[in-house]
Parts: sequence; structure tokens; C-alpha cells
Amino acid sequence: DTEVTQTPKHLVMGMTNKKSLKCEQHMGHRAMYWYKQKAKKPPELMFVYSYEKLSINESVPSRFSPECPNSSLLNLHLHALQPEDSALYLCASSQEEGGGGNEQFFGPGTRLTVL
Amino acid sequence: GQNIDQPTEMTATEGAIVQINCTYQTSGFNGLFWYQQHAGEAPTFLSYNVLDGLEEKGRFSSFLSRSKGYSYLLLKELQMKDSASYLCAIMDSNYQLIWGAGTKLIIKP
Repeated sequence: DTEVTQTPKHLVMGMTNKKSLKCEQHMGHRAMYWYKQKAKKPPELMFVYSYEKLSINESVPSRFSPECPNSSLLNLHLHALQPEDSALYLCASSQEEGGGGNEQFFGPGTRLTVL
Repeated sequence: GQNIDQPTEMTATEGAIVQINCTYQTSGFNGLFWYQQHAGEAPTFLSYNVLDGLEEKGRFSSFLSRSKGYSYLLLKELQMKDSASYLCAIMDSNYQLIWGAGTKLIIKP
């Protein structure tokens, strides 16, 4: 299994809703990442988990809350989002965090629209 | 500061060859990655260079010159499906990926 899966593919939510994005990989990777990508822009790193511990939080607002229940799963809990948070949310994983040659494998993304 | 430059858009003809350049200035260097991204889809890994020289993988090759802060991605025998954005990314001294803005490649018949 050499893929990263994400659910849901599309999500529409109101500003008062609470929702969660899910990501799963079974490649034995120990680093997992959340990125946000706006149209025609490169991915922006949000969070990095390494060995199930949060190692990087790129000053992301608290309305985004990551969780890593185990080494294969990564969640992103969403609450009280703003319309400007609408974007493609990408999950990625790599063998280890950093280190040479640790290419990141990306999931298909969740297209989020906040109304 | 961190800076990665790539052309915004390029156009090429099916069957031809195209070279996409990437120049960079980053705090440290632990390798350079090229990713392909089709519209609305996730990036997919194409190549990794950490030493100077050319890495060839089928129709795609990637070159790196660390002293010049320069890389290119060479695509041969272009196919319509190669129409996509190509992202250059540098792994910096903190082992974080710094992404270029991407080059949109348009292939014409």
C-alpha cells in the first residue's frame, strides 16, 4: 500500500459548524503533515507530527486543531472557521521528518468550502 | 531570506522537450525536490537531487548546481497529460520544505 488516503473529498461547512478531516497511511511512515493550498499557490505547511508527537505548528489559528491518534492516522478538527479558510487541505507523510531524500507522499486532499 | 524562483507559465508542443528552471536562495540546503500537480489534485513526487549533476528517470530528468543555486527539470517527448504545474521545493537547514510558486506548463498539440 503506497498511498495516503483522505476523507472527505469535499466538505462544505458553515462558520458555526464543527467538522473533522481524516488522513490515513499504511506505509509505516513516522512523519505526517497537514498543508493548506489556495488556488494557484504552493502548499503552505500547517502542522508536522513526528512519531505521533506534534513537532511543528506554523502559527496556525486555534480554530484548526490537529490530532494524531496513532502512527497511521492524522486528523484535523475544524471549528468556527472563516470563509477565507476555504482551500484544498492536503495530508502528506514521509519516512521520517526531514532527513535527506525523505520525499513526502500526498493524499488527494479535501476541498473545503466555508460559507 | 528564503527565495525560490520559477517561471509562472510555459507553453510547449506535444512531442517536444521543455526545461523548467528553478533558482533558489535558502537558509541551508538538504536537497531539492520536483513535484507535479494537476489542477485540483495533490502534488506527486518526481525527483530529488542533493548532489550536483543530472538525475534521469524515464522521460524526466532533473539537474542541480548547488554553487549556482540552480536546478532544472527536463521533460522529453512531451505528452498532453504532462500539462500540469511543476513545483520546485528546497529542504532547508531545519529539514522543512520551502516551496516555489510553481510553473504552469501548457502542452499544445
